[in-house]
Amino acid sequence: QVQMQESGPGLVKPSETLSLTCSVSGGSIRSYFWSWLRQPPGKALEWIGYIYYSGSTNYNPSLKTRVTMSADTSKNQFSLKLNAVTAADTAVYYCARVMCDFWSACTHAYHMDVWGKGTTVIVSS
Amino acid sequence: DIVMTQSPDSLAVSLGERATINCKSSQSILDSSNDNNYLAWYQQKSGQPPKLLIYWASTRESGVPDRFSGSGSGTDFTLTISSLQAEDVAVYYCQQYYSTLPFTFGQGTRLEIK
Repeated sequence: QVQMQESGPGLVKPSETLSLTCSVSGGSIRSYFWSWLRQPPGKALEWIGYIYYSGSTNYNPSLKTRVTMSADTSKNQFSLKLNAVTAADTAVYYCARVMCDFWSACTHAYHMDVWGKGTTVIVSS
Repeated sequence: DIVMTQSPDSLAVSLGERATINCKSSQSILDSSNDNNYLAWYQQKSGQPPKLLIYWASTRESGVPDRFSGSGSGTDFTLTISSLQAEDVAVYYCQQYYSTLPFTFGQGTRLEIK
């Protein structure tokens, strides 16, 4: 059974870079898409983007200029970097597995079926 | 972006009664080439990550009780809980994956016990 765990600093200063890693166990990241999402306090879910193990990415246009995702197949992990953070980036950050069309080598991403527990990131000086 | 709008924002239902949550997309999320509606429903209990309940608008995820069902097509969708249990108290979200630029969620519907 696939399990996912986010890790990274819980406090980031304004204008600095938020860096998180998602460790995947019970399955290889060499299939599916792998996504980051976030949820500000008391608010709805926001999709940040996803990555394929090969390195191809798809980012939310609203965050695209500040987001970088990467994947490390040797460690079975993928990562998120969000630069120039402000208080508006304070949120619980989740990683999730994204189902895809395996028969077409994952050309389309679908729903998210496995989620990490989430990690709280506060942006404050 | 495809905007997802849920109604109501909150709902109180008695134990054993039916709960109905609606989700409307700003454009059709039906792929006529395969007749699939690109919609998922998630349940989020307090302090927990979201849990996938339904995908392709009406396919129940493995392990999800059969009192949960999804229906609808095109732009209008419904999540129904046929007989509300105490453990169903949560916030429910719909999400479209027809357009991945970007994936979008509804604002959430809070379900409570009356």
